[in-house]
Amino acid sequence: GDSVTQMEGPVTLSEEAFLTINCTYTATGYPSLFWYVQYPGEGLQLLLKATKADDKGSNKGFEATYRKETTSFHLEKGSVQVSDSAVYFCALSDIGFNKFYFGSGTKLNVKP
Amino acid sequence: GAGVSQSPSNKVTEKGKDVELRCDPISGHTALYWYRQRLGQGLEFLIYFQGNSAPDKSGLPSDRFSAERTGESVSTLTIQRTQQEDSAVYLCASSLRQSAEAFFGQGTRLTVV
Repeated sequence: GDSVTQMEGPVTLSEEAFLTINCTYTATGYPSLFWYVQYPGEGLQLLLKATKADDKGSNKGFEATYRKETTSFHLEKGSVQVSDSAVYFCALSDIGFNKFYFGSGTKLNVKP
Repeated sequence: GAGVSQSPSNKVTEKGKDVELRCDPISGHTALYWYRQRLGQGLEFLIYFQGNSAPDKSGLPSDRFSAERTGESVSTLTIQRTQQEDSAVYLCASSLRQSAEAFFGQGTRLTVV
């Protein structure tokens, strides 16, 4: 069945460091891919998405490229800020079934 | 309302009691999901409703859990004879089938004592 695997955390970085959070997926169809973010004490929010191969989703300085050949959707940011500290969830949705599958989440701690 | 609304936001209940959690999806969203998030863990799929189709109940952990949805509106998640391991945040999300983007509520934090 469909599934998402993302790197375990926590990830601890200094401010202005480069961030990569790995995400790979398994899907039988042609999924859409998402990154959701959960800031402390808040609900999940959509960060970015990509709906087909080679699409790049971007928002708030974060980027992720839908790589069909490697079944990956890694999240990157060139220079993290303390305010980026949160839990990040990779997810996929199979358009045909419209179900969402989430990874286990990666906690990011950014230190000043 | 503008977003997905869940109530109550917090619920403390005694072990063995039944609880009902409510979700009001975004108007017009045909799909509705329930997830459970235990402390420090990821999202665990519980159940999925899509329009008038039979719900996907494959994620419900036991027969103590059930959910209903009236048409394309409100959904209730019921947990009978609550146990301490049911303590978690229960999240509801809704989406339009075409957009396949899920919008989440703030969740209900359930504590079983």
